[in-house]
Amino acid sequence: EVQLVQSGAEVKKPGESLKISCKGSGYSFITYSIGWVRQMPGKGLEWMGIIYPGDSDTRYSPSFQGQVTISVDKSVSTAYLQWSSLKASDTAMYYCAVKGIAAPGDNFDYWGQGTLVTVSS
Amino acid sequence: SYELTQPPSVSVSPGQTARITCSGDALPKQYAYWYQQKPGQAPVLVIYKDSERPSGIPERFSGSSSGTTVTLTISGVQAEDEADYYCQSPDSSGTYVFGTGTKVTVL
Repeated sequence: EVQLVQSGAEVKKPGESLKISCKGSGYSFITYSIGWVRQMPGKGLEWMGIIYPGDSDTRYSPSFQGQVTISVDKSVSTAYLQWSSLKASDTAMYYCAVKGIAAPGDNFDYWGQGTLVTVSS
Repeated sequence: SYELTQPPSVSVSPGQTARITCSGDALPKQYAYWYQQKPGQAPVLVIYKDSERPSGIPERFSGSSSGTTVTLTISGVQAEDEADYYCQSPDSSGTYVFGTGTKVTVL
């Protein structure tokens, strides 16, 4: 069974750093790209970026370029999303999703459960 | 930046048909994908490559494409279909864009 399990909720202060994780199982981790999606409270879905675990090739949405870093550790089948200095506006639910396993194409057919990040002084 | 535009809301009575549109300049050249998101849950893929339905998605969900607009159709709407729906498509930078989202209310 394909599963993406994300790390737990975080409460941080502005200026702090943070790294959240997304562990894949039940499929060949290095073969399928993983994307990250932000959903601010009461708002829609926003694409942040995507990484191909096979060679760590990473692409960012222009809105998030330079704001976050996406990485992967193949040895533990885990993708990461990190911030070096959080802002209150980073408060959101963050989802990871894997591309094109059950259905071929640019579709994200398995999703993690989401990680809620709250940034408040 | 590239945008996909959806109506904010659609209301429909049980058993009727809901149609949700998504407009974008690149849609004649790129496939669109549709996701359903219920409150407090992660999105679920309901249509891929404009009109294909993943395994396990009810037949009442269908998709179509015409020019710069793609449409998600829910035939014989049920109460459980009340949710937010998002279209998604690749953009020119090699990542992806979501539509603005449509809230479907079952009256």
